[in-house]
Amino acid sequence: QQQVKQSPQSLIVQKGGISIINCAYENTAFDYFPWYQQFPGKGPALLIAIRPDVSEKKEGRFTISFNKSAKQFSLHIMDSQPGDSATYFCALKGVGDYKLSFGAGTTVTVRA
Amino acid sequence: DAGITQSPRHKVTETGTPVTLRCHQTENHRYMYWYRQDPGHGLRLIHYSYGVKDTDKGEVSDGYSVSRSKTEDFLLTLESATSSQTSVYFCAISDGGRLQPQHFGDGTRLSIL
Repeated sequence: QQQVKQSPQSLIVQKGGISIINCAYENTAFDYFPWYQQFPGKGPALLIAIRPDVSEKKEGRFTISFNKSAKQFSLHIMDSQPGDSATYFCALKGVGDYKLSFGAGTTVTVRA
Repeated sequence: DAGITQSPRHKVTETGTPVTLRCHQTENHRYMYWYRQDPGHGLRLIHYSYGVKDTDKGEVSDGYSVSRSKTEDFLLTLESATSSQTSVYFCAISDGGRLQPQHFGDGTRLSIL
């Protein structure tokens, strides 16, 4: 049973546009929310992560927004580039746990 | 990139045969994980290890077993492969630090006919 629901399943955006991916969870006992980026034929790679005591974190063109009360967090890709075309996974880690639970993934296609 | 090597990278086998996948790390990380990736399901944890000879089940462990006799190696075994185990398998490692980021290998594509 997946603990995190990710949407949309796929999206297409024009070069320079904004990509937004959302994740929602139910249990409140999580303390780490990473996002992974995966290119075809490769393993997922950590992109950016946030803790629940922070509402937003920005690294370059990638921003995580975290809404603790709504139990939602999202990834924004600003000024999307063709090189951003990949599958993105949100994940979360339970407090005191050593495992991650992943969302189902979002395939992002950036049109030139 | 984290030093993680998965072998084989591709394998085709028949239903009912045993299959062993290997994950080898050069980072001396304590935690190692096996996931399977299927369309629409993301990454699902099969088994994980928190030290030599210390392993535990994940959410989709039925039909799989693991062993870790050395820090650097984590083996995943399908005792009698079934077509439902056709998937891409990823190994990940973590040093168990506060935020415990996991680093992934490049996967093994397993087809069971």
